[in-house]
Amino acid sequence: GAGVSQTPSNKVTEKGKYVELRCDPISGHTALYWYRQSLGQGPEFLIYFQGTGAADDSGLPNDRFFAVRPEGSVSTLKIQRTERGDSAVYLCASSLGQYNEQFFGPGTRLTVL
Amino acid sequence: AQKVTQAQTEISVVEKEDVTLDCVYETRDTTYYLFWYKQPPSGELVFLIRRNSFDEQNEISGRYSWNFQKSTSSFNFTITASQVVDSAVYFCALSEGGYNTDKLIFGTGTRLQVFP
Repeated sequence: GAGVSQTPSNKVTEKGKYVELRCDPISGHTALYWYRQSLGQGPEFLIYFQGTGAADDSGLPNDRFFAVRPEGSVSTLKIQRTERGDSAVYLCASSLGQYNEQFFGPGTRLTVL
Repeated sequence: AQKVTQAQTEISVVEKEDVTLDCVYETRDTTYYLFWYKQPPSGELVFLIRRNSFDEQNEISGRYSWNFQKSTSSFNFTITASQVVDSAVYFCALSEGGYNTDKLIFGTGTRLQVFP
């Protein structure tokens, strides 16, 4: 079956621009997560959706970051006024629900010039 | 505070050697979950195991085995008879049993290189 998919796989943008990253979870998975991974580090939690609502957004670094999941399936992570420090691999994961194993997508590598 | 420590940054072994990857965690909760993930050079994280805090039985899956010891807050991972395909970065992660959260706290990973 299809795993978690993320688009684009690579995104290069200029400082100050707006970007959107998309995640398609595994069909039937109600929970969706965004993480960010910098070089040489483990993934860092950003936000967790249960259905359409953000159950935990404590990991979003500041108000330039926002994520939505309007129909409880596809999610979009939005970053405004990008900064060079936002450069990282953004990972999406999905699961059957709280405390279940999370299955990760291939990630979107964001480079802010 | 929750924290996961993987003190081994990089390990190199020759094929067929056994290798153990260490993981030490910190949490104040009595209910929590521990995970191991593999990140091969391709980059995609692969789920290996989930263990809840009430189940201290060791687990074996083929060449992989896990040793969970609450007394030392450790959840170590052993690969028996390592193979070149085991070369990857391995992450240990912790999830606390909070009501409205399901975030994974990852360690910094251990890079395993298996040489032929």
